[in-house]
Amino acid sequence: KAGVTQTPRYLIKTRGQQVTLSCSPISGHRSVSWYQQTPGQGLQFLFEYFSETQRNKGNFPGRFSGRQFSNSRSEMNVSTLELGDSALYLCASSRLAGDNEQFFGPGTRLTVL
Amino acid sequence: SQQGEEDPQALSIQEGENATMNCSYKTSINNLQWYRQNSGRGLVHLILIRSNEREKHSGRLRVTLDTSKKSSSLLITASRAADTASYFCATKSDNTDKLIFGTGTRLQVFP
Repeated sequence: KAGVTQTPRYLIKTRGQQVTLSCSPISGHRSVSWYQQTPGQGLQFLFEYFSETQRNKGNFPGRFSGRQFSNSRSEMNVSTLELGDSALYLCASSRLAGDNEQFFGPGTRLTVL
Repeated sequence: SQQGEEDPQALSIQEGENATMNCSYKTSINNLQWYRQNSGRGLVHLILIRSNEREKHSGRLRVTLDTSKKSSSLLITASRAADTASYFCATKSDNTDKLIFGTGTRLQVFP
């Protein structure tokens, strides 16, 4: 069974641009969560989607948004990029919403210049 | 911040030695999990301990949980160079499905 895949793996953007990251969960998994990892703030929860609906949301500004498609694939979008948005963005999937074990993808490394 | 604290921040040991990492958290929990992350990669789930459990084993891993002190420890016995990674604890409370991660411990095991 293929693991969680994230595309692209690396991305360089400039301030003010927007970016869309993609996550394909493990086949059969319907819940997708997103996390931001930075050296200063560590791992922080962004949001969780299940059955195309956002179930939980972390404390991030409205510039961070996401969605989930009927095939469970998820995208997150960051608009008006700031230097502080440079981070590793991790996606995790689980079979059901609220499942204890999450399976993480390799992440997308976003650099904002 | 809701984030838990882990100590030490960094730990260096020789192969064959045991490694102990500690995690403290702030709110009451449903369960506590430990994850491993190799340099800049995704996280791998290692072990989960529920709030009504005190100790759990999985291979060379031993996890303890003290809910009265809001703390947990992860022991890796007979460490190997391949255990070199960052280790994170993560808590899930009863009233939310969000995983709250700790600050992590960077473990270096020298051959």
